Amino acid sequence: GAVVSQHPSRVICKSGTSVKIECRSLDFQATTMFWYRQFPKQSLMLMATSNEGSKATYEQGVEKDKFLINHASLTLSTLTVTSAHPEDSSFYICSARVGGQGAIYGYTFGSGTRLTVV
Amino acid sequence: QKEVEQDPGPLSVPEGAIVSLNCTYSNSAFQYFMWYRQYSRKGPELLMYTYSSGNKEDGRFTAQVDKSSKYISLFIRDSQPSDSATYLCAMGNTGNQFYFGTGTSLTVIP
Repeated sequence: GAVVSQHPSRVICKSGTSVKIECRSLDFQATTMFWYRQFPKQSLMLMATSNEGSKATYEQGVEKDKFLINHASLTLSTLTVTSAHPEDSSFYICSARVGGQGAIYGYTFGSGTRLTVV
Repeated sequence: QKEVEQDPGPLSVPEGAIVSLNCTYSNSAFQYFMWYRQYSRKGPELLMYTYSSGNKEDGRFTAQVDKSSKYISLFIRDSQPSDSATYLCAMGNTGNQFYFGTGTSLTVIP
């Protein structure tokens, strides 16, 4: 089945530094990837939609300059948290849509990245 | 009003019990309905997918959609300790914008 590989699974960084999270689609091409954030005991919140070869679309309230998304190829999307602060500590998850227009599909998720900013 | 409402639980049942998980929603345009299982510190994995109304069965899992009531359910028969996880419902209308419930935490006690 379709697999999305996400790295790193866990990262601890100092306040003010930047962290890059990678998501790769291993056996399919993902023209669109989605980045979510999940706080403990809360739902997945869509942050942005990443489109290969074009600028990402950010949800309302998500800072574009803080959460940089790059989708340079059909199999790789990256999320960079710049100048991280403790309030950015969260579980970040990427996903890709599987299937084509009009076909039965769902989301395939990466395994998530636990970011802790100290 | 939230797009999707889901009781966060926690829900605790003995092994072998039938589990019923539910979500309600407000947008009558939703046509795609999914259930995901998420183990601790892991990404969600797709369990069931349903388009429009009706029932769908896969092994011990049955998904039901009642569009007239804007209510979806996931039933787990003969629950096992390995079913202990958080179950998220998700739904939407078009391909990109899906809405997730908060998830229901389930523990199956041996």
